[in-house]
Amino acid sequence: EVQLVESGGGLVQPGGSLRLSCAASGFTFRNYWMYWVRQVPGKGLVWVSRINSDESSTDYADSVKGRFTISRDNAKNTVYLQMNSLRAEDTAVYYCVRGAGGRWPFDYWGQGTLVTVSS
Amino acid sequence: DIVMTQSPDSLAVSLGERATINCKSSQSVLYSSNNKNYLAWYQQKPGQPPKLLIYWASTRESGVPDRFSGSGSGTDFTLTISSLQAEDVAVYYCQQYYRTPPHTFGQGTKLEIK
Repeated sequence: EVQLVESGGGLVQPGGSLRLSCAASGFTFRNYWMYWVRQVPGKGLVWVSRINSDESSTDYADSVKGRFTISRDNAKNTVYLQMNSLRAEDTAVYYCVRGAGGRWPFDYWGQGTLVTVSS
Repeated sequence: DIVMTQSPDSLAVSLGERATINCKSSQSVLYSSNNKNYLAWYQQKPGQPPKLLIYWASTRESGVPDRFSGSGSGTDFTLTISSLQAEDVAVYYCQQYYRTPPHTFGQGTKLEIK
């Protein structure tokens, strides 16, 4: 069974940092692209970042470029999202998501972890 | 970036009746080389993450009931639930994966029981 389990969310002050982790199991992690998608409670889905299967390529939404960094450890079956210079508008549930490639649908989603940026 | 626009924003349908949700992309998501539309539909029930329902515009994900169907090509797409069940109450999102990044979603359509 495919499982994606996020952790690392919480309350952080504006300008602070957080590192999200997503532990994957139930599939050959190194064969898949991984994504982060966020959702402000009660609002829509917004793609944040993606990383290809061998970590040679990463992409970011304009709203987080230069502040967030995605990475992965294929030996640990884990993907990370380092979030720096956090702003109130980064407050959202962050989902870890799997995709077969850069032009494939998102076939499995984690339960999400809530990040709240507030003083 | 490709902009995805869904209609309506909300919809109330009686149990057993048909529900139809529309999605329009600002550019075609049809790849002529393989004749595939790079369009997916997701269902998000309250308190849950989204779930993939349909991809390539009309292919049902494994385990998705056959009352769910997707149609359309190019820039105009439709998700149809042929006979609404209580468990189908959710927000539905379309997404294009043709020109990425970014991976853009529609704003969502909230489906309720009338």
